[in-house]
Amino acid sequence: DQQVKQNSPSLSVQEGRISILNCDYTNSMFDYFLWYKKYPAEGPTFLISISSIKDKNEDGRFTVFLNKSAKHLSLHIVPSQPGDSAVYFCAASAREYGNKLVFGAGTILRVKS
Amino acid sequence: DVKVTQSSRYLVKRTGEKVFLECVQDMDHENMFWYRQDPGLGLRLIYFSYDVKMKEKGDIPEGYSVSREKKERFSLILESASTNQTSMYLCASSYQVYRGAANEQFFGPGTRLTVL
Repeated sequence: DQQVKQNSPSLSVQEGRISILNCDYTNSMFDYFLWYKKYPAEGPTFLISISSIKDKNEDGRFTVFLNKSAKHLSLHIVPSQPGDSAVYFCAASAREYGNKLVFGAGTILRVKS
Repeated sequence: DVKVTQSSRYLVKRTGEKVFLECVQDMDHENMFWYRQDPGLGLRLIYFSYDVKMKEKGDIPEGYSVSREKKERFSLILESASTNQTSMYLCASSYQVYRGAANEQFFGPGTRLTVL
């Protein structure tokens, strides 16, 4: 039973346009959410996070939105660049579960120049 | 600069062999984790450790064991490798949540293991 779902296996976007990656979760205990970016043959790197007490967090070109009632979060990348092409993982944690993260299956983003 | 290193980037082993994957972190993190990444399945937690000599099973511990004798080092052991353990193995570390730090995990570069 997947508690964190990324329903789009892949996304293709033109350079300069907005990329929107989506993530849904089922466990209402989750209170902290993270996005990771992964290039082939490298480990994932942390991108941006959001606490459940917020509905938006912004860092440069990256913004994460959280809709708790819908149990949905999204990552917006504006403007998209070819170097953003990677696999993006959504992850969630809950204070009750300690230090563990639950990851989604990932979305492959391709930014075309 | 934070660093998590893994002993091998690529490894090829035969069915039935005992396999050791080593992970070292230099950030004085209490927590260390082992995941495997498979297409369409994301990152699945195998084992984790929140202190020296402590370990807890993750979501898919069958066929694996771990060892944490020193704070900076966390080893994953495949007792008898099987072809369905062919995968990308990722090690990660993080601070304890009680420190008030974000729950961010730092990952190593991964080991691509092929079992023939």
